[in-house]
Amino acid sequence: QVQLQESGPGLVRPSQTLSLTCTVSGGSISSGSNYWNWIRQPAGKGLEWIGRIYASGSTNYNPSLESRVTISVDASKKQISLKLGSVTAADTAVYFCARDGGTAFPYLDYWGQGTLVTVSS
Amino acid sequence: DIQLTQSPSFLSASVGDRVTITCRASQGISIYLAWYQQKPGKAPKLLIYAASTLQSGVPSRFSGSGSGTEFTLTISSLQPEDFATYYCQQVNSYPRTFGQGTKVEIK
Repeated sequence: QVQLQESGPGLVRPSQTLSLTCTVSGGSISSGSNYWNWIRQPAGKGLEWIGRIYASGSTNYNPSLESRVTISVDASKKQISLKLGSVTAADTAVYFCARDGGTAFPYLDYWGQGTLVTVSS
Repeated sequence: DIQLTQSPSFLSASVGDRVTITCRASQGISIYLAWYQQKPGKAPKLLIYAASTLQSGVPSRFSGSGSGTEFTLTISSLQPEDFATYYCQQVNSYPRTFGQGTKVEIK
């Protein structure tokens, strides 16, 4: 059973960089056609897809965030990282990591529990 | 970007009721649509993929239909544990987008 766990600072200062890690257990990051996604959700609002990465390092980003986002993977540590630069209060949200099965199954079937990041001075 | 519009945004129904939620896409997405259920403080859970295929372990009272630009999620007999917010998501193109959500309240 694949499990995902997000971690990182719960408070980030405005204009700084938000950095989160998603650790995968119960499976290999490199197996199959799996992609690893980041999604966020401001309190009381809907879901916003941030981007995804394949084990090879190939990425897809949401154009609305692309200039500020970097998603990377460390297969040896079974971790996926998210960096979001120049944050503002609008970036305050619960951040989720989730898996999709690539072209054959592009749906988000495993999710982490989410981690709340607050942007505030 | 493909916009997904869900209706209604909120609904209140009784246990045993049949509930239908609609998701309309701003352009055709074939059957590349999923439905998720999210309970407060929890991550979304995949219910339906490819517009109409039930994810393993999901109760059969959930069903999905549609293709192109109009899709529906139906709960045939609403149960107390179905109190949640439901989201559609398109995976036809990038960026992936979600509907704004439908909150289902149990009367």
